[in-house]
Amino acid sequence: DVKVTQSSRYLVKRTGEKVFLECVQDMDHENMFWYRQDPGLGLRLIYFSYDVKMKEKGDIPEGYSVSREKKERFSLILESASTNQTSMYLCASSRRDRSYNEQFFGPGTRLTVL
Amino acid sequence: GEDVEQSLFLSVREGDSSVINCTYTDSSSTYLYWYKQEPGAGLQLLTYIFSNMDMKQDQRLTVLLNKKDKHLSLRIADTQTGDSAIYFCAESNTGGFKTIFGAGTRLFVKA
Repeated sequence: DVKVTQSSRYLVKRTGEKVFLECVQDMDHENMFWYRQDPGLGLRLIYFSYDVKMKEKGDIPEGYSVSREKKERFSLILESASTNQTSMYLCASSRRDRSYNEQFFGPGTRLTVL
Repeated sequence: GEDVEQSLFLSVREGDSSVINCTYTDSSSTYLYWYKQEPGAGLQLLTYIFSNMDMKQDQRLTVLLNKKDKHLSLRIADTQTGDSAIYFCAESNTGGFKTIFGAGTRLFVKA
C-alpha cells in the first residue's frame, strides 16, 4: 500500500520557534509538495521539489524554507514561527513520468503557533 | 492567474444525487480532477478527466466537463453517509508540476 507519512499529526509551538515538519514517501516519486490548508482558502502551494536538492517556490513561500536531501524525504522549515502560520500542513508526492499529475497526500500536520 | 472556484457547502439527503460544481479560468488546463478529503485524512484522488472528453463515468460517479464555459461537475448517485467529506476540484497542465486546487466543497449527507 503506497504511503506518504508526516512526522506529527498535531504540533503546538511558540512564536519565534524554529519548526521542522517532515514528510516521507515510499513510492519512489520524483515530485514532492508542501501545501497549507485553511478553511475557505483550500490548498495553497508553499514549495515543491522535482528532484533531490531541487526546490521551487510555490504561491506562498514567505516565512518558509524546504530541504530535500534524499528522494523519499521532504522537510518544511518555519524559520521563526508566527501565529499566522497556524494551519493544517499537507505533504504530497507524485510521479514525474505521467502526463496527469495524480498527487498522493499524507494525513496532514495541524500546527498551532501560540 | 489561474483560479478554481467552487461553492463551500452542499447538503443532501441519503439516497439522493449530489452535484458539486466547479469553474476554472485557465483555458490551457489539460487535466481536471476531483479529490476527496475525509475527516482527519489527506486528499485522495477520486477521478480525473482529460480536457478533450466531456463525460466520464465510474460506478456512482459521473464527471461532466463543459470546456467552453470552463465548468466541471461531479455527480454522486445514491449518496451515502460515507460520502460525507470535502471534495476538491483541481486542474493541471500536461506534465506540469503544479496542480491548482479549489477551496473545497463540504458535502453533508443527512440520514
